[in-house]
Amino acid sequence: ELKVEQNPLFLSMQEGKNYTIYCNYSTTSDRLYWYRQDPGKSLESLFVLLSNGAVKQEGRLMASLDTKARLSTLHITAAVHDLSATYFCAVVGEGGATNKLIFGTGTLLAVQP
Amino acid sequence: DSGVTQTPKHLITATGQRVTLRCSPRSGDLSVYWYQQSLDQGLQFLIQYYNGEERAKGNILERFSAQQFPDLHSELNLSSLELGDSALYFCASSVNPGTGELFFGEGSRLTVL
Repeated sequence: ELKVEQNPLFLSMQEGKNYTIYCNYSTTSDRLYWYRQDPGKSLESLFVLLSNGAVKQEGRLMASLDTKARLSTLHITAAVHDLSATYFCAVVGEGGATNKLIFGTGTLLAVQP
Repeated sequence: DSGVTQTPKHLITATGQRVTLRCSPRSGDLSVYWYQQSLDQGLQFLIQYYNGEERAKGNILERFSAQQFPDLHSELNLSSLELGDSALYFCASSVNPGTGELFFGEGSRLTVL
């Protein structure tokens, strides 16, 4: 059974600082997603990573994928308050027959002024 | 706006009751997914339908059932409700059942008193 783990679960950081969220998954998968969720809101897709070594950047966020290590990272550069949210990674559970996503535990990011 | 529509947005009911949550996928999407988000369980995959047929099943309780209709909208039926069923229920859709990105609706927040 595919398991997806994120750490840390909670991250409090000051504006202007850098930090990385880690996402480990237990079995091979050909796709990994990063989502953002504001409190009580829907899931907003941030990145789709499709291959080993893939790197994508949008603003202060950069995501990478190492399929051999079954590890993805979400790096935050010079954090600002607007980045405060919960971030989830999600992995395609089986591929092929189904596109269902298995989500990590989420990382609650609080950026302090 | 993802194009996925869920109703109702909020629902308050009592233990033992039955409710139905409705989801209209994005135009052209044939596959629908249901997820449950709660504080203790996180984001859990419940079930997936593709063109009216069940495609994948996750941690869905026997008290819960779902279906996808010929017009592709889907309904999630929750019966004999318990306090622990209080959660945010998300619907997502994708064009194909095994590839492509999932687009999430705004969710239906269920409170069981």
